[in-house]
Amino acid sequence: NAGVMQNPRHLVRRRGQEARLRCSPMKGHSHVYWYRQLPEEGLKFMVYLQKENIIDESGMPKERFSAEFPKEGPSILRIQQVVRGDSAAYFCASSFSTGFVGDTQYFGPGTRLTVL
Amino acid sequence: QKEVEQDPGPLSVPEGAIVSLNCTYSNSAFQYFMWYRQYSRKGPELLMYTYSSGNKEDGRFTAQVDKSSKYISLFIRDSQPSDSATYLCATTTDSWGKLQFGAGTQVVVTP
Repeated sequence: NAGVMQNPRHLVRRRGQEARLRCSPMKGHSHVYWYRQLPEEGLKFMVYLQKENIIDESGMPKERFSAEFPKEGPSILRIQQVVRGDSAAYFCASSFSTGFVGDTQYFGPGTRLTVL
Repeated sequence: QKEVEQDPGPLSVPEGAIVSLNCTYSNSAFQYFMWYRQYSRKGPELLMYTYSSGNKEDGRFTAQVDKSSKYISLFIRDSQPSDSATYLCATTTDSWGKLQFGAGTQVVVTP
């Protein structure tokens, strides 16, 4: 059973460009979470999605950031007009259900975004 | 004030020693407590989770939660060089798992 997959693993963008990060959850998982890890800091929750729905986006910056999890295909985290402060590792996690017994979050390897 | 405080280390111990890690938290509504291990340039992997106060043991790992003092601990017995990693504590109030992470403690086990 393949784990959570993220691509690309490394992404370099110049200031003002768009960054698109993709996450394919584990097979059978319909819940996706995005976290951001800044250098020397822990992971910060950004957004929680189920198929076609955003459940909680309380950790998302109000501007330039958006996320989706369509009925078909991977979850996408989009960052428009990137700035140097967006440079970080972005991790996706997936879980099977909402009950805690089943909702262990499995993390992907992350996408490391560098903004020049 | 951060909701979850964790000393970033690094914590260096000789092989075979006991590694003691801890976190404090401020929100008394936190109910679920987890420890993740993260190797360099990798994603976090779940080591252990507990619900509410108490101890939980899994092999060389023991997790403790003391809700009265808002204190969580992880102990690693008979540490090995392969245990060298960053250990992240995490907690949540919600069964659906919006996790609040500590900053992580870097552990180095020297042969």
